Amino acid sequence: GNSVTQMEGPVTLSEEAFLTINCTYTATGYPSLFWYVQYPGEGLQLLLKATKADDKGSNKGFEATYRKETTSFHLEKGSVQVSDSAVYFCALRNTDKLIFGTGTRLQVFP
Amino acid sequence: NAGVTQTPKFQVLKTGQSMTLQCAQDMNHEYMSWYRQDPGMGLRLIHYSVGAGITDQGEVPNGYNVSRSTTEDFPLRLLSAAPSQTSVYFCASSYSPGQGAGTEAFFGQGTRLTVV
Repeated sequence: GNSVTQMEGPVTLSEEAFLTINCTYTATGYPSLFWYVQYPGEGLQLLLKATKADDKGSNKGFEATYRKETTSFHLEKGSVQVSDSAVYFCALRNTDKLIFGTGTRLQVFP
Repeated sequence: NAGVTQTPKFQVLKTGQSMTLQCAQDMNHEYMSWYRQDPGMGLRLIHYSVGAGITDQGEVPNGYNVSRSTTEDFPLRLLSAAPSQTSVYFCASSYSPGQGAGTEAFFGQGTRLTVV
């Protein structure tokens, strides 16, 4: 079946540090891959996406590359800010269902 | 453009009571779904629909019913609430792959439900 595995949090960083949140997936066929962000008390918002192998999604300084050979979609940002503190979810969509990982909480301190 | 609208935002129920969580979208999305979010569990799919008149079960459907009489609305019913249903519920909608548009989902703001 389809599944998504994310690194457990929380991830605690100082402002301007480099961020990596690992995400690997299991799926048949060629899923689309997504990163969503959830700020406190809010719903999920799409952060970035990639729809085929070797695509790079990017938004607000965050990037992730669809790696079919390693079935991975790791999220990176070169310099995090306090305002990036949130929960990040990796997800895949294969046909109709959207499947999520368990989420990774990021805490950024000044 | 309102996007995905969920009501209510907060609800407290007694065990055994019933209620309906409302979800409406105005983006002409065929696909709609309900998730519950629990600490350490991520988002788990309860039910989903690929169009009016069509619904199917997700990962955790027990204790919940849905219907899809129109494209816009996808209510979630709890027939007899249990403490295990205490959670945050999110409704989401998206184009289906067959609609030829981007397949990312748009989420409502969530309903925080407590069953005592």
